[in-house]
Amino acid sequence: GQQVMQIPQYQHVQEGEDFTTYCNSSTTLSNIQWYKQRPGGHPVFLIQLVKSGEVKKQKRLTFQFGEAKKNSSLHITATQTTDVGTYFCAGRTGRRALTFGSGTRLQVQP
Amino acid sequence: DTAVSQTPKYLVTQMGNDKSIKCEQNLGHDTMYWYKQDSKKFLKIMFSYNNKELIINETVPNRFSPKSPDKAHLNLHINSLELGDSAVYFCASTDGGLKQFFGPGTRLTVL
Repeated sequence: GQQVMQIPQYQHVQEGEDFTTYCNSSTTLSNIQWYKQRPGGHPVFLIQLVKSGEVKKQKRLTFQFGEAKKNSSLHITATQTTDVGTYFCAGRTGRRALTFGSGTRLQVQP
Repeated sequence: DTAVSQTPKYLVTQMGNDKSIKCEQNLGHDTMYWYKQDSKKFLKIMFSYNNKELIINETVPNRFSPKSPDKAHLNLHINSLELGDSAVYFCASTDGGLKQFFGPGTRLTVL
């Protein structure tokens, strides 16, 4: 079945440093979504990427979808303490349900 | 104003008991889901319902039985609870296969 892996599993940065999480799928994806889950909270939708090579920005967050539509990345510039949480990618193939990645837990030291 | 609500928020119970978790969404979405998130934060889909009909059942034990009385509600009943059922269960809904709106979660602890 479809597998979606994320690395790193965990990252601890100093406030102001950049952060990147990578997502890799075993199959070609129709689209990929990113979610953020704050500690003790629930996943919240951030963005969806559909096109090969697509790049989208949300303030300090930059999302990329690979040319082969099998990988994606989320980059945060100049992290802030409000960025703390677990970031999940979630990929879909055709009309199948979303498969969530294993998540990257981000800790930001003030 | 709550988009997706779940009750209860916390559930502590003994092994072997039967329990239910309720979910309601007021977004008018057609599709609802149940996810299980384990202690390592893995989010795994359990069930998906579209307009009260089951469309996904991801090899979940028969002890878990979802019920959708109408398209705004999706409840989860669990029989004969086991230690390994301890997790956070999230309900979610979506319209048109786009972004998913998650409920606040139900933390189930089986003793």
